[in-house]
This record gives sequence, C-alpha cells and structure tokens, in this order.
Amino acid sequence: QITLKESGPTLVKPTQTLTLTCTFSGFSLNTNGVAVGWIRQPPGKALDWLALIYWDDDKRYTPSLRSRLTITRDTSKNQVVLTVNNVDPMDTATYFCAYRRHSSSGWVSWGQGTLVTVSS
Amino acid sequence: DIVMTQSPDSLAVSLGERATINCKSSQSVLYSSNNESYLAWYQQKPGQSPKLLIYWASTRESGVPDRFSGSGSGTDFTLTISSLQAEDVAIYYCQQYYISPLTFGGGTKVEIK
Repeated sequence: QITLKESGPTLVKPTQTLTLTCTFSGFSLNTNGVAVGWIRQPPGKALDWLALIYWDDDKRYTPSLRSRLTITRDTSKNQVVLTVNNVDPMDTATYFCAYRRHSSSGWVSWGQGTLVTVSS
Repeated sequence: DIVMTQSPDSLAVSLGERATINCKSSQSVLYSSNNESYLAWYQQKPGQSPKLLIYWASTRESGVPDRFSGSGSGTDFTLTISSLQAEDVAIYYCQQYYISPLTFGGGTKVEIK
C-alpha cells in the first residue's frame, strides 16, 4: 500500500523560508521511472503543480517559481523535501505531495495535504 | 506553458443522468512514439485529496468505476460520467503531463440537480 504524508509548519511569516517534508512508504524512489511531486491549492482555487524529483535525482520546477523552489530527496528516509524561499501571503495554500509510478501515468497517489498560511 | 481550459466551470446533473466535462489543451499532448495523449483526469471531493481517475486520456486507473470514461486525443478531451451517482459530487480536473511545467485545468464542479 502506497502512502504519502506531508509535514511542516502551518504558519509562516512573509519573507521566511517554508520547508515541507513528504514522507512516503510502499514504493522506492530508486525505482526506474518513479517520481514524487509537489502540488499546491490556494483556498477555493485550482491545483497548481510546483516541482518533481525523479528516481535518478533529475528535477523539474514550474518556471514562475523556479527561483524560489528547491526539491531534494533522502532515499534512506523515504522523504522528499520542498523548500520555498521568501514566502508571500500568495503562497498560502494546501500543499500536497504525490507519487507517479512512471512517466506515462498521472499522479497515482496523493498525501492528505497540509495547509500553510503565510501571514505576519 | 501548455494552458488547459476546462468547460463548463460547473454543471448540475440529475442522478442517473450523464455528465460531460471538456478539456482543451493549447497545444497537442500526443506523444508520437506511442500514440498516447499524456492527459489525466482527477476527482477531488470536498476536503479530500485529488484522486486519479483516468490517464493516457482514456485508461481508467485500477479500481475506478466503469461509469467514468475518458476520450479524445491531441488537444481535445472529454470526461464522461455515464450515470451520475451521489458520491460523484466533486470538482474534476484535467492535467497534461506531456511536458514540464505540468499544468492543470481550472476545474469543473459537478453537482446534483
């Protein structure tokens, strides 16, 4: 059974750095084709893909936020970490991590999401 | 970036009736080497995470009821719920995974009439 769970702060001040951790089980991020990604959803709005990391440590970012995002993995801990620098109230959203079993599938499994509020 | 446009924004359908949601991509998401469109559909119920329904535009994910079907190729796609059930009330999103940045449509809210 594949599970993913996001963790991190619920409240962050503007200009600070947000660090979110996705802890997963049921698959290996060393398996060919596998990827883990981050998607966020502002309250009442649509889904917005942020970043993903592949089994070979290749990474992709959404261009509009590329300068502020970093995605890394710790395969020994089965974790993927997303950092967002210089946060703004517009970054207030529920952040999801998700698993993709190969490049031909969509996001097969999702975490429950974690709501992050950016406010002073 | 590939822009995904869904229509309508919302629709109300009677129980047991058909619901149809459209999704259009600003450029083709058809991968020529395997003739598959890299288009997925998700269902998001209130307060829940999205759930993958369809990938490759028309391949149903394991465990998804067969009343859900996807069709289309290239730039124009459709998600059909053949006989709407009460548990299908949700927002439905299309997403292209042909090329980065991966992009979602704006969502279609399905309600019971």
